[in-house]
Amino acid sequence: DIQMTQSPSSLSASVGDRVTITCRASQSISSYLNWYQQRPGRAPKLLIYGTSSLQSGVPSRFRGSGSGTDFTLTISSLQPEDFAIYYCQQTYSTPTAFGGGTKVEIK
Amino acid sequence: QLQLQQSGPGLVKPSETLSLTCSVSGGSIRNRTYYWEWIRQPPGKGLEWIGGVYFTGSTYYNPSLKSRVSISVDTSKNQFSLKLISVTAADAAVYYCARKNQPLRWFDPWGQGTLVTVSS
Repeated sequence: DIQMTQSPSSLSASVGDRVTITCRASQSISSYLNWYQQRPGRAPKLLIYGTSSLQSGVPSRFRGSGSGTDFTLTISSLQPEDFAIYYCQQTYSTPTAFGGGTKVEIK
Repeated sequence: QLQLQQSGPGLVKPSETLSLTCSVSGGSIRNRTYYWEWIRQPPGKGLEWIGGVYFTGSTYYNPSLKSRVSISVDTSKNQFSLKLISVTAADAAVYYCARKNQPLRWFDPWGQGTLVTVSS
């Protein structure tokens, strides 16, 4: 099974900051990497699929990049509603697997 | 806009069977583009994929749960269901249903989640 490792596990940032979250797969997953945002008490919400495609309705300040085993989610200018937990997910092979999550907190 | 509405008990006794249903509205479960999935999240922890079903009834499961899980689909009711047998405290979690776009392999939308507690 493919393992997904996110870093950092948590970070503190201010509104307006640029934030970068990384996700590493235990083997190559091509571009089959998705990112989700989960606010407290809510279901995960799809932000980015296929490494870099923005889901409809998601603000353009979210950007995904990478390939192979190393991937990045960047929020260009953090907004108050972006404070949440972010998960990566590989869908290259079954079973699909999620990273452990990165909690973005207010500094 | 497609929506997923979950239903089922939030309390299950140890060794008994967890049963949840996900009702699809705003679209057909027979759409050939999609699979229908279950994911769970223990309190304060990360996400674990359980398994999925196609409208034909074809299923696939996480090997870690395969011996205890059954997912089924009822196209006449536009819903799909999860059964997990012989539950223990380790199965306590928020359970989510979700739609999976098979070609693009993303999960969206998700149901509202059901917190399942395992206790006698």
